[in-house]
Amino acid sequence: SQKIEQNSEALNIQEGKTATLTCNYTNYSPAYLQWYRQDPGRGPVFLLLIRENEKEKRKERLKVTFDTTLKQSLFHITASQPADSATYLCAPFTGGGNKLTFGTGTQLKVEL
Amino acid sequence: DGGITQSPKYLFRKEGQNVTLSCEQNLNHDAMYWYRQDPGQGLRLIYYSQIVNDFQKGDIAEGYSVSREKKESFPLTVTSAQKNPTAFYLCASSTGTGGLQKLFFGSGTQLSVL
Repeated sequence: SQKIEQNSEALNIQEGKTATLTCNYTNYSPAYLQWYRQDPGRGPVFLLLIRENEKEKRKERLKVTFDTTLKQSLFHITASQPADSATYLCAPFTGGGNKLTFGTGTQLKVEL
Repeated sequence: DGGITQSPKYLFRKEGQNVTLSCEQNLNHDAMYWYRQDPGQGLRLIYYSQIVNDFQKGDIAEGYSVSREKKESFPLTVTSAQKNPTAFYLCASSTGTGGLQKLFFGSGTQLSVL
């Protein structure tokens, strides 16, 4: 069955460092993959989309990579700030069922 | 301001009772979705609608019902058949369906059982 895995343990890093979050998927061949940010008690907010033929996508301090061979996407936040503390969700899209499937998310905590 | 409005923020259900969660959008989006979020689990799709008067079941539709009589509105009813309704419910919309469509989410409704 299709499966998406994100680190269930929270990632704690110091302010100014680069945070790297992992999204692994199995039994999928997603044509696109999206990343969202979710704050406690709020709905997710779209951050970035990457296509299967793109190796890397950047937006300000954010960078996403997409390795279809490893079946993995990495999400990087450079020069992290306490305001970046949130849960980050990955969502591969396969076309089947015409819908996104969300991972469980990884909680990021940026400390001063 | 354009966006998605969910109400109420908190809702309590008695056993055997049906409850309806409201979702309204003024983004002029064709597609709308309902997701359920449980602690430690990803968002799971309940129902989605690509156009007015049409909707499809998602992965966990049992015990839920929806309607799409207007483009702006997509209410979700949690029926008494849903035996474990306690969860955070999220409504979303997009301009269409497909992997290039980013979802815009509301702020959610927390449903609890009394």
